[in-house]
Amino acid sequence: SQKIEQNSEALNIQEGKTATLTCNYTNYSPAYLQWYRQDPGRGPVFLLLIRENEKEKRKERLKVTFDTTLKQSLFHITASQPADSATYLCALDISGGYNKLIFGAGTRLAVHP
Amino acid sequence: NAGVMQNPRHLVRRRGQEARLRCSPMKGHSHVYWYRQLPEEGLKFMVYLQKENIIDESGMPKERFSAEFPKEGPSILRIQQVVRGDSAAYFCASSPPLEGSPTGSPYEQYFGPGTRLTVT
Repeated sequence: SQKIEQNSEALNIQEGKTATLTCNYTNYSPAYLQWYRQDPGRGPVFLLLIRENEKEKRKERLKVTFDTTLKQSLFHITASQPADSATYLCALDISGGYNKLIFGAGTRLAVHP
Repeated sequence: NAGVMQNPRHLVRRRGQEARLRCSPMKGHSHVYWYRQLPEEGLKFMVYLQKENIIDESGMPKERFSAEFPKEGPSILRIQQVVRGDSAAYFCASSPPLEGSPTGSPYEQYFGPGTRLTVT
């Protein structure tokens, strides 16, 4: 069955540094991969989508890479701020087109002043 | 443009009672997804609906759980005869028609704030 793995341990970094989160998957070749942010007690918020034919995608301080050979995506937040502290979720479409997503358990990021 | 709305935000039910969770998608969105999230776990897909149709219910338990998205009104996730193991946060998400969206990214999902169900 399809499996998504994200770092289960919380990531603690200093303000201003770059945070790098990892998403690995097995047993599937998704057409695209998505990253979401979730704050405690709230629903996930969409951040970025990257397609299988894209190596890298950027949005402001966010950067996502997608290596279909390694079956891995990296999510970077540059110049991190305490407001970036949240849980970040990786998601794959396993339906082959109608957006049925499976999510990783998420990585909790804490940015310290 | 209001976001995805869910109600109630918190629901407490005794074992054996019924729970009804409601979801109003964003305006113009015709696709609704329901997910369940247990503490310290990821979101688990339950069901995908379009207006008046269940497209994929492979993630939903076959007994006690049902979902609908009528022509008029919100989508409903219904859990009959709740048990303690049903306690979780239930999230609804909607997305625009897959042929495109105003943001140019046709596949993102917009989540509601969730309903936290507690079974006592």
